[in-house]
Amino acid sequence: IQMTQSPSSVSASIGDRVTITCRASQGIGSWLAWYRQNPGKAPTLLIYAASSLQSGVPSRFSGSGSGTDFTLTISSLQPEDFATYYCQQTNSFPLTFGGGTTVEI
Amino acid sequence: EMQLVQSGAEVKKPGESLKISCKGSGYSFTSYWIGWVRQMPGKGLEWMGIIYPGDSDTTYSPSFQGQVRISADKSMSTTYLQWSSLKASDTAIYYCARPRSGSEDPFDIWGQGTLVTVSS
Repeated sequence: IQMTQSPSSVSASIGDRVTITCRASQGIGSWLAWYRQNPGKAPTLLIYAASSLQSGVPSRFSGSGSGTDFTLTISSLQPEDFATYYCQQTNSFPLTFGGGTTVEI
Repeated sequence: EMQLVQSGAEVKKPGESLKISCKGSGYSFTSYWIGWVRQMPGKGLEWMGIIYPGDSDTTYSPSFQGQVRISADKSMSTTYLQWSSLKASDTAIYYCARPRSGSEDPFDIWGQGTLVTVSS
């Protein structure tokens, strides 16, 4: 299953609302996760099952979608949110990732 | 605290072999799968494969099948990723990670990453 993210990069400011999209090459139900990767760090899980917030993740992050089209929304960007975001399908092996979206200042 | 601690950075020559490790602690190691993810320089994440340390059941991505070997030593609470003959294209950061629950769950615990550099 191929995962395609858009845009590949986005410029934004502190406090902005940002939306990232992810499209699967075939239907995956709600089996989608989102991660944030800050420079030089391991990824951290934000959202699983398309819209469930991982424990400890701020409520400014939300996810939606099902089937082939999904979105990650950050309601009010904070300094630590300037990072790269990846979607991952968890429907079937291999659990492929999208190409990433970099949120830049 | 649940954590995965990976072995340190490696510098190798093409053709050499290598085994890197990932040690789990703070949870029942044999009850959770452990996966491996590659990140080539400046690139995205690639799911390589996953192992269940309880019985060493392993699934590989077709892209990595035959290129690497994933193993586990449950007595040491450690999983391994190994190469028999490295190539320059194996240069990358390799992460181990634990899924939330089952083998097809997203990863909620990650190791710090191991940088592997392959250069003549």
